Amino acid sequence: DVKVTQSSRYLVKRTGEKVFLECVQDMDHENMFWYRQDPGLGLRLIYFSYDVKMKEKGDIPEGYSVSREKKERFSLILESASTNQTSMYLCASRRGNTGELFFGEGSRLTVL
Amino acid sequence: DAKTTQPPSMDCAEGRAANLPCNHSTISGNEYVYWYRQIHSQGPQYIIHGLKNNETNEMASLIITEDRKSSTLILPHATLRDTAVYYCIVRVENSGYALNFGKGTSLLVTP
Repeated sequence: DVKVTQSSRYLVKRTGEKVFLECVQDMDHENMFWYRQDPGLGLRLIYFSYDVKMKEKGDIPEGYSVSREKKERFSLILESASTNQTSMYLCASRRGNTGELFFGEGSRLTVL
Repeated sequence: DAKTTQPPSMDCAEGRAANLPCNHSTISGNEYVYWYRQIHSQGPQYIIHGLKNNETNEMASLIITEDRKSSTLILPHATLRDTAVYYCIVRVENSGYALNFGKGTSLLVTP
């Protein structure tokens, strides 16, 4: 089975802290994605990557950066966390441009 | 990608068929219809997708109207574990890399 693993299910951070959210997939997928999910707003795409060291902005990239140094790992970075970044963060992967997305279990981040 | 419209919520009795509608009146000829669902506190899960023909798999059936302006996801015998938010998405294959999720339909299956 395809597995997408997010490093932390729950995190609590303080305003201004640097936050790393890690995502690892074990199926050699080229494409990886970071979404955030907020009540009433659905899933919104932050960043995606279609290859190692490649990245593209999604709909809401402000306040975030990403890193894809290895094919299996896609990291989301909050350089200086703010309270409006409190959210559920979801990582996903997909082989190529077609077919289904495989999601991780999510990381619920609270910024105080 | 074409925009989709789904009802915000629906109820269904356990054991009955759940029929979840989706309108995509601006769909273009090369856009596929995808369905995902998200059970509480989990990541979304792929269900099914199709272009113009009806599709069926072990989870559900997808019925797409002849003009392709709407579709229906059918869960033939809903169980309590099917309580989830269901997302309908339309997308051109090979057009890019991301699926844009909307707000979906919250399905409640009741005993």
